[in-house]
Amino acid sequence: NAGVTQTPKFQVLKTGQSMTLQCAQDMNHEYMSWYRQDPGMGLRLIHYSVGAGITDQGEVPNGYNVSRSTTEDFPLRLLSAAPSQTSVYFCASWRGEGTEAFFGQGTRLTVV
Amino acid sequence: AQSVTQPDIHITVSEGASLELRCNYSYGATPYLFWYVQSPGQGLQLLLKYFSGDTLVQGIKGFEAEFKRSQSSFNLRKPSVHWSDAAEYFCAVEKTGRRALTFGSGTRLQVQP
Repeated sequence: NAGVTQTPKFQVLKTGQSMTLQCAQDMNHEYMSWYRQDPGMGLRLIHYSVGAGITDQGEVPNGYNVSRSTTEDFPLRLLSAAPSQTSVYFCASWRGEGTEAFFGQGTRLTVV
Repeated sequence: AQSVTQPDIHITVSEGASLELRCNYSYGATPYLFWYVQSPGQGLQLLLKYFSGDTLVQGIKGFEAEFKRSQSSFNLRKPSVHWSDAAEYFCAVEKTGRRALTFGSGTRLQVQP
């Protein structure tokens, strides 16, 4: 059972480039979220989804897009990378309200 | 604004000593409450959670947490810390109906031999 899989683990982008961070889960969880982790700020919610076809914005959505075409996948797109998006990104999934969230291993993104 | 506060950024304890990590939240009603641990370079793992009922909850790795409604607190404790407990600890809340977690800024625990 793989759990939550994030790819890539590391990525360096130039300012203005676009890319997609992949997140896949094999637990048939309805809820999925993307967070960014920056020193001293904990994890901040970027976008979340409560099921296929349903997404919503979190605390820091600017510069990021998401879609949820299947239960398993929840990709995060950076349309035009900026140095302020240098961070560690975590994807999480969970079965429903109040249940345990399972996290991927993270993607460390550097924008130069 | 609704928030989660972990006032201690960094704590150092000696191996075998007791530990308490503080967490306060500001929500109108009692949310779901969680403690997660993050080892270096890893994702987060759930230690314990509180929804209702007994205000003292037990978790994995010998951790426990006490919910105090009057103080809006959910502090994490461990009677005797082991070197392997060195990690970053995050308090998180899920407001009923919010469908996403809000995290505190984390407390980094260092364990001295």
